[in-house]
Amino acid sequence: EAGVTQFPSHSVIEKGQTVTLRCDPISGHDNLYWYRRVMGKEIKFLLHFVKESKQDESGMPNNRFLAERTGGTYSTLKVQPAELEDSGVYFCASSHERGTLREQYFGPGTRLTVT
Amino acid sequence: KQEVTQIPAALSVPEGENLVLNCSFTDSAIYNLQWFRQDPGKGLTSLLLIQSSQREQTSGRLNASLDKSSGRSTLYIAASQPGDSATYLCAVDPRGSTLGRLYFGRGTQLTVWP
Repeated sequence: EAGVTQFPSHSVIEKGQTVTLRCDPISGHDNLYWYRRVMGKEIKFLLHFVKESKQDESGMPNNRFLAERTGGTYSTLKVQPAELEDSGVYFCASSHERGTLREQYFGPGTRLTVT
Repeated sequence: KQEVTQIPAALSVPEGENLVLNCSFTDSAIYNLQWFRQDPGKGLTSLLLIQSSQREQTSGRLNASLDKSSGRSTLYIAASQPGDSATYLCAVDPRGSTLGRLYFGRGTQLTVWP
């Protein structure tokens, strides 16, 4: 069974540009999460999808960030326009809707560098 | 708001030592607690998950304990090996929260030298 995959693994963009990150969850997992780790800080929650619906987006930093999950499969996270403070590692995780453990499985992350 | 603290921030030991990594959290109303491992440039690998009703979980040389009332968890690594070198992260899933939002500590960076 394939794990959570993310694309790209690295992205270097200039301030003001747009970047789109993609996450493919484990097949059959209805819950999809985005997290971010900026240098020197802990990993922080951004938002949570249940299928195609946003369950909780209270962690999104501002309106420059837009997440979508069309069809309830893969998800994209767009940053437009990117700022220097957006640099960090963006992780995606998924879990089964009916799993009592609520165990989350993480992807390898996308390292975003804004110059 | 749940806050998670991990001590120590870094640890360097010779091979063969038994280790204890500490995690504390401020709100004892949790659903579960997960320990993860992160290798440089890689994603997070789940090591152990302890549900709120459990006191410990074991996997090979790893043992994680949970004391909800005191807001503490420890990860015990027996007979450490150089391959154990990584960053270890503790994450809490609070009870009553939106399903599964995790709160992470900053991690303990472990180096085991031969």
